[in-house]
Amino acid sequence: DSGVTQTPKHLITATGQRVTLRCSPRSGDLSVYWYQQSLDQGLQFLIQYYNGEERAKGNILERFSAQQFPDLHSELNLSSLELGDSALYFCASSVGPYSGGTDTQYFGPGTRLTVL
Amino acid sequence: GQNIDQPTEMTATEGAIVQINCTYQTSGFNGLFWYQQHAGEAPTFLSYNVLDGLEEKGRFSSFLSRSKGYSYLLLKELQMKDSASYLCAVISDSWGKLQFGAGTQVVVTP
Repeated sequence: DSGVTQTPKHLITATGQRVTLRCSPRSGDLSVYWYQQSLDQGLQFLIQYYNGEERAKGNILERFSAQQFPDLHSELNLSSLELGDSALYFCASSVGPYSGGTDTQYFGPGTRLTVL
Repeated sequence: GQNIDQPTEMTATEGAIVQINCTYQTSGFNGLFWYQQHAGEAPTFLSYNVLDGLEEKGRFSSFLSRSKGYSYLLLKELQMKDSASYLCAVISDSWGKLQFGAGTQVVVTP
C-alpha cells in the first residue's frame, strides 16, 4: 500500500458525460500528479500540482481539468467523454522538489474508466 | 524530440538473470527511475539513479550512464512473481515531471 488513495476504483459511464476522479496524497506529500494509461499508449503524464498550484502540464486535453485543494487532495474532471477516454487513471504523490532528497513518486491504485 | 526506449518483451527462466536496457533522449535530466507494474495495478517504485554507476537493492540492481543516455535494470534469481512490466522513467524538469518509456514485459517461465 503506497499511502495514496483514489476513488472510485471503477467508473462506467456513457459518451458525452462528465466524471470526477479523486485522489488523496500520502501524508506529508505536497505534489500530486495525474497519469493516463491506455492499452496502446503506456503511461502518459497529464498534469502536476504542487501545494495547490499547477506546476506542469503534459498531454492533457482541453476537456480535462484538475485542481488541488487546500487539504492537498486533488480532483481530475473529465468532460464530454469519448470512447477513447477509456483508460486507467493514476494519481501519484511526492514530497516535492524542495525535500532535499529523492523526490520519488508513489502511485495510487488507479481508477478504471470505461466509456460506453 | 524526447524519447525513452526499452525492449517490448523479454522471457527468462525462473532462477535466471535478466537485464532490461533503457536509452533516453530528453530535454532535461534530473534522475531516472525504474518501476514495476503488474497488469491492472499501480506502478511500484524499484530504484532511482541520478549519478553514474550501479545501485544495488537486494535482487534488483540499476545502472546509469548519463553520458551515454543509458540505464539498465538487472533482475537476479528470477521468481515467478517477477513477471510484470518494468517501466523506465526520466525526470525531465526541476518539478519532478516523469516521462515514461512504454515498458518491458518480463515473462518468467518455470
